[in-house]
Amino acid sequence: SQQGEEDPQALSIQEGENATMNCSYKTSINNLQWYRQNSGRGLVHLILIRSNEREKHSGRLRVTLDTSKKSSSLLITASRAADTASYFCATDAIRGSSNTGKLIFGQGTTLQVKP
Amino acid sequence: KAGVTQTPRYLIKTRGQQVTLSCSPISGHRSVSWYQQTPGQGLQFLFEYFSETQRNKGNFPGRFSGRQFSNSRSEMNVSTLELGDSALYLCASSDGDWGVRFFGQGTRLTVV
Repeated sequence: SQQGEEDPQALSIQEGENATMNCSYKTSINNLQWYRQNSGRGLVHLILIRSNEREKHSGRLRVTLDTSKKSSSLLITASRAADTASYFCATDAIRGSSNTGKLIFGQGTTLQVKP
Repeated sequence: KAGVTQTPRYLIKTRGQQVTLSCSPISGHRSVSWYQQTPGQGLQFLFEYFSETQRNKGNFPGRFSGRQFSNSRSEMNVSTLELGDSALYLCASSDGDWGVRFFGQGTRLTVV
C-alpha cells in the first residue's frame, strides 16, 4: 500500500509560474526523495532531503521537509513546458534501524505547464 | 556510466502465459529492486535483491518471482499471466542501502 499522499493530484499552470506540490507520509524516515516521470517512462531522481534537513535547493527546485508534520513540499520556480511530467515523493521503508531496500511512493502529482 | 537497462521495452502476452523481464543495473550497483506501476494502484514494490539475495518482497502473489545473478543483473518472472498484470514494470539500481535509486525506462507488459 502507498504510504504517501500527494496533493494536488493534478496541477496546470502557465510557463514562468511557480508550481508547488505537497507530500505526506506516515512513518519515521531517514530521508525523502522526489522523482519525476515523463509520460509512462522511467523515474528520474530530482532531489533527496535527509530527515535532519529542513530545506534543500537544486537549481529551480526547492524542497522542504517538516518531520513533525510528516510532510514535504516541492517547489519548481519559473516553470517551463519541459517540466510537464508526474512528480512522486518517496521514502525508504525502515524495519527497526535497518533499510529494507523498499521505496514507498506517493500517488504523484501530474503537472502540466502550458507554453 | 551506462544507465539501467531493461529489456524488452514492450511485451504483449496472452492470459496464462509466463513472461521474463530483464534488468541490467548500473555497473558497480549491487542492489536491484522492481516496481509495478498501474493507473489504479500507482507504484508498488515487488522485491529487492542485494548481492544475489532477496532482502524484501512486496505483497504480490507467488506468481511473481525474481532472481539476481553474480554480475548483479536481475530477472523477474510472472507465471500464469492475468489481465490485471498489465502494467509498467520498473527496475531500479542503487549502490547502497539508502537513498537514490536509478530507474530503467521500464517494460510495458500488456496481457490480452
